[in-house]
Amino acid sequence: FILTQPHSVSESPGKTVTISCTRSSGSIANNYVQWYQQRPGSTPSTVIYEDNQRPSGVSDRFSGSIDSSSNSASLTISGLKTEDEADYYCQSYDGTNWVFGGGTKLTVL
Amino acid sequence: EVQLVESGGGLVKPGGSLRLSCAASGFTFSDYTIHWVRQAPGKGLEWVSSITGNSAYIYYADSVKGRFTISRDNAKNSLYLQMNSLRAEDTAVYYCARDWVAWGQGTLVTVSS
Repeated sequence: FILTQPHSVSESPGKTVTISCTRSSGSIANNYVQWYQQRPGSTPSTVIYEDNQRPSGVSDRFSGSIDSSSNSASLTISGLKTEDEADYYCQSYDGTNWVFGGGTKLTVL
Repeated sequence: EVQLVESGGGLVKPGGSLRLSCAASGFTFSDYTIHWVRQAPGKGLEWVSSITGNSAYIYYADSVKGRFTISRDNAKNSLYLQMNSLRAEDTAVYYCARDWVAWGQGTLVTVSS
């Protein structure tokens, strides 16, 4: 299966943005979804794991969810800050193999 | 603190070979499956390979199957990726990762004549 993300999204500081990740086949609920943030020149870091869990140290402005009706996962970032500007990748599993979405460039302007 | 540090990247000619290493610390290395993920310049993330803690199960992406070999030495807390028959499209930053918990800083592999 493939995971499809919007290529880019933009929003203003202080607003809320949602990035989608749609699974092409099989249920989104079958396998956990992770979300990674990658700022330019940096290593990816986890902002959401196991669909909706936040690692220690990640702001509660980040939240994750899954929607079986649209077969998609979503990352929502509230109270946008300029430091949130980055690429965001969703990741799930095809059996034991990892599958990544193509990434979404978030611009905060 | 969980830490992963990759090394071994560099410039190699098409058809050549390279061996990447990943040194782990801060956790019981043998208990965990470890993964290689790569990112071509300006592109997204691509899973490459995974190996379980006792090396019993090994998995590869179709793009590298038959050319790359993943291995580990639990006594040395180290993970390896032997890359043979390298192609220009293998040019990327290669990361080792322990699930979502930790990623290394990456090592750049450039395949060019």
